[in-house]
Amino acid sequence: KNEVEQSPQNLTAQEGEFITINCSYSVGISALHWLQQHPGGGIVSLFMLSSGKKKHGRLIATINIQEKHSSLHITASHPRDSAVYICAAHSGSARQLTFGSGTQLTVLP
Amino acid sequence: NAGVTQTPKFQVLKTGQSMTLQCAQDMNHEYMSWYRQDPGMGLRLIHYSVGAGITDQGEVPNGYNVSRSTTEDFPLRLLSAAPSQTSVYFCASSVGLLGEQFFGPGTRLTVL
Repeated sequence: KNEVEQSPQNLTAQEGEFITINCSYSVGISALHWLQQHPGGGIVSLFMLSSGKKKHGRLIATINIQEKHSSLHITASHPRDSAVYICAAHSGSARQLTFGSGTQLTVLP
Repeated sequence: NAGVTQTPKFQVLKTGQSMTLQCAQDMNHEYMSWYRQDPGMGLRLIHYSVGAGITDQGEVPNGYNVSRSTTEDFPLRLLSAAPSQTSVYFCASSVGLLGEQFFGPGTRLTVL
């Protein structure tokens, strides 16, 4: 079974700071997802990646397959970025995703 | 497109009652899944389906049944509710196993 660990569990930042959330997994994967869960509970997909780097607006996701590690970066953070960020790994042999327990991000004005 | 819809949004049951959580998607996605989310734990897969007529168990299937008679609908049945099933339930769909995940708004279930 693939174990997915996220760090930190909680993160508080000041508006404008550069933020990094980390995700490590224990076995080889086919794809890694980053999700955002809003304070109201809804979950949206931010990125799906299997190699390299993806960027969408102020969000950047990177993955290092050899290191079994992915990071989510937020540049120029804003209070509206406050949410739980979840990574999920898909192992090639498994027909399901394994989720990390999430990182609670709070951005203060 | 409505995306993924779930009903009800909130539900309170007594121990031993049964109920069905509804999930529907209008994106013609093959892959649908049910998760539960508990405090301090990641989303855990209950059951999933890779197409109409095909379902399989996930990590925590006990106490739940599913069926997939159409591409659009994937209901989750609680056979005899227990307090341990108090949780938030999410339905999700994707084009394939590796595709972008689309989640429903969730159902908050309390079993007394």
